[in-house]
Amino acid sequence: EVQLVESGGGLVHPGGSLTLSCAASGFTLSTYPMNWVRQAPGKGLQWVSTVGGSGDVTYYADSVKGRFSISTDNSRNTLYLQMNNLRAEDTAVYYCAKAGHGDSALDSWGQGTLVTVSS
Amino acid sequence: DIQMTQSPSSVSASVGDSVTITCRASQAIGSWLAWYQQKPGKGPKLLIYVASSLESGVPSRFSGSGSGTDFTLTISSLQPEDFATYYCQQVTSFPRTFGQGTKVEIK
Repeated sequence: EVQLVESGGGLVHPGGSLTLSCAASGFTLSTYPMNWVRQAPGKGLQWVSTVGGSGDVTYYADSVKGRFSISTDNSRNTLYLQMNNLRAEDTAVYYCAKAGHGDSALDSWGQGTLVTVSS
Repeated sequence: DIQMTQSPSSVSASVGDSVTITCRASQAIGSWLAWYQQKPGKGPKLLIYVASSLESGVPSRFSGSGSGTDFTLTISSLQPEDFATYYCQQVTSFPRTFGQGTKVEIK
């Protein structure tokens, strides 16, 4: 059974940094593209970033480009999101999601971790 | 960037009703569209991929159709567990944009 468990969320001051982790089980992380999607309180879903299965191709939303970095540790079967220079508008629940069906959909999601950026 | 527009933003319906949600892309995306269901406090769940393929384990009362720029998700015979928010997402190019969501509420 595929499981994704996010951790690392919390309260951080504007301009601060945080690293989110997503521990994967039931499949080999390096075999599939992996994603981060966020949801601000009371709002809709926003795609944040994707890393290819090989880990050498990455994509970012314009709103986080240059501040966030997605990566994987295949030895730990874990996905990461390094977030720097955080802003109030980055406050959201962050979900990791596995791509499936030939990267045509996000077929497994975690339960999310809340990041709050506030002074 | 490709913009995804869902309508309606919310719909009230009764158990047993049929509901149709529309998703329109700002440019043609072929069949590269997915639909998700989200319940409060939970991560989204995949329902439909490549516009009309039903994800394993999803009840057959859910169906998707469309191609190009116009897509629909239909829930026939609504069940109590179907009251949730539904999102479409285009997966043809980055950024992988979502629609703004459609909340299906109990009438």
